[in-house]
Amino acid sequence: EVQLLESGGDLVQPGGSLRLSCAASGFTFSTYGMSWVRQAPGKGLEWISSIAGSGGGARYVDSVKGRFTISRDNSKNTLYLQINSLRADDTAVYYCAKRIIAGPTYFEHWGQGTLVTVSS
Amino acid sequence: EIVMTQSPATLSVSPGERATLSCRASQSVSDNLAWYQQKPGQVPRLVIYGASTRATDFPARFSGSGSGTEFTLTVSSLQSEDFAVYYCQQYDSWPLTFGGGTKVEIK
Repeated sequence: EVQLLESGGDLVQPGGSLRLSCAASGFTFSTYGMSWVRQAPGKGLEWISSIAGSGGGARYVDSVKGRFTISRDNSKNTLYLQINSLRADDTAVYYCAKRIIAGPTYFEHWGQGTLVTVSS
Repeated sequence: EIVMTQSPATLSVSPGERATLSCRASQSVSDNLAWYQQKPGQVPRLVIYGASTRATDFPARFSGSGSGTEFTLTVSSLQSEDFAVYYCQQYDSWPLTFGGGTKVEIK
């Protein structure tokens, strides 16, 4: 059974940094690309970043380019999202999701999410 | 960026009735379109992929259709557990984009 467990969400001041983690199990982690999707309170879903199984091919939505960095450690079956220069509009639940195929894809498996709150 | 537009924003339907949700893409996405269901406080669940292929967890009353720029999710006879927000997502090109959602509520 595929399991994805995010952690690292917290209350952070504007301009601060945070690193989110997603621990994966139940599948061969290094074989699959992974993604981060976020959802602001009461709002819709927003894809923000994806990475290939090898750790290459990182992609980002324009609104986070230069501030967010996706990475992974295949030896630990863990996906990361480094978030810098946090802004109030980054407040959201951050989900990790397993990609189905290489390239653009839909998401069959999602984690439970971790809440990031940016406020002074 | 491909913009996904869902309509209506809210759909009020009585249990047992049919619900028809629409999703429009700003340019063709072929059949690279997925639908998700999300209930309050829960994680999104994949309902449809490839525009019309139903995910394993969902019963036959859920169906998807369309290609190119116009897509429809139909729930043939709404059950109490189907009241939720539904999102469409295109995966034809980067960046991946979602529609704003349609809330299906009890009439």
